[in-house]
This record gives sequence, C-alpha cells and structure tokens, in this order.
Amino acid sequence: QQQVKQSPQSLIVQKGGIPIINCAYENTAFDYFPWYQQFPGKGPALLIAIRPDVSEKKEGRFTISFNKSAKQFSLHIMDSQPGDSATYFCAASRTYSGAGSYQLTFGKGTKLSVIP
Amino acid sequence: NAGVTQTPKFQVLKTGQSMTLQCAQDMNHEYMSWYRQDPGMGLRLIHYSVGAGITDQGEVPNGYNVSRSTTEDFPLRLLSAAPSQTSVYFCAISTGTGRGYTFGSGTRLTVV
Repeated sequence: QQQVKQSPQSLIVQKGGIPIINCAYENTAFDYFPWYQQFPGKGPALLIAIRPDVSEKKEGRFTISFNKSAKQFSLHIMDSQPGDSATYFCAASRTYSGAGSYQLTFGKGTKLSVIP
Repeated sequence: NAGVTQTPKFQVLKTGQSMTLQCAQDMNHEYMSWYRQDPGMGLRLIHYSVGAGITDQGEVPNGYNVSRSTTEDFPLRLLSAAPSQTSVYFCAISTGTGRGYTFGSGTRLTVV
C-alpha cells in the first residue's frame, strides 16, 4: 500500500504557537520523507526532508520528528508567524533503481492559518 | 535560470474542446511529471516521464495524453475537456531518487 495519511486537514493557531502536522505511512520501504509548503496561487516548494536514519531534523523554526517503529513523522513549526500560513504536504518515497523510484506519494495536505 | 515554466497560467475551456498545457524546464532534470490539485484531494499524479521518449501513467491518467520528445519539454494534452477536469495543474521535475521535486507555478483550468 502506497498511502501517506496526513492530519489534521486544517489547523488554526495563534502567533507564537507551535502547530504540529502528523503523517503516517504504511510502506516500510519508504526512506525519504519531505515536507512541502504551498502558498495560495503558487506551486509547492520543498521545505525540509528527513531520512529514517535520524529521529529529528531542524531547519530554522521547522522541525521534523520521525518515529520509524510507529511509521509516523511530523512537522513542528516553532514560534509560528502569520507568514507561515500556507498548505503543508508531507510525502514519502523509496530509493531503488527503476522508473518508479522518482515518485513521491503525497499526503492530502494541511491548511495552516496563523492568526496575529 | 527559470527552473520550471508552465503556460498558460489561466485557461477557460468549453466542454469538448482540446488544449495543451505546456511545461518547460532549464535544469536538465530527467524526471518530469504532471499533477492535478483539487480541494481535499491533495496532489494526484497524472503522467510522468523519466527521460526523452519514455512516459508512463500515474494515478489519474484518463482524459490526458503526454509525450516527451526532448529533455526540456513535457506537454500535457486534454483530448476532449470535461467539467471534471477543472483543476489546478502542476508540472514537477526531479533529478532522481531521494531528491526533492521542483514545481512550476501551476495552470488553473476551468472547463464550462
């Protein structure tokens, strides 16, 4: 099964709060887990990514936590700002030789609103 | 270096009309793909290509056609537009396994 399940569908937090978006996957062969950020009217852009050999990765105010045994990973946004308001997608793929190895499986997205 | 260029940005079609959405890249990436984005449905893969002359179907290929004659271009053709094809279409490229995608800015298509 190639699904990636993302929750919640939408999220509203106040400025300075820490929104958390969760994703769960089923295919244990997945070994690359990126997050994408999409602003209205724009294409998704790569935000941060993690591989399963580490449990956490930080880039600025964005942190991915990864739980291999639970097959879950999550995005935390520290000190969230109104400018972080966007739709966030998690994704997963696996590394192997072959045409399908390029493909990412996306979650359905989380619309985040950070209110001042 | 424009990355991924999609044209047009907006289009309105009548049911039954055909059109081609253009995707061009200047990054020399092997992998090119087309996604459609609908509210609550996330990003769904339509067709993809791993190099010139090689294409394959994704999750929702019906009603769409693609070809890849060059590394740079990957056009998406709607053969006979239907209202169900009203969506935002994104082209995405990648260098390969375990690498992030670079998305274009999208084409918003309305079929009436």
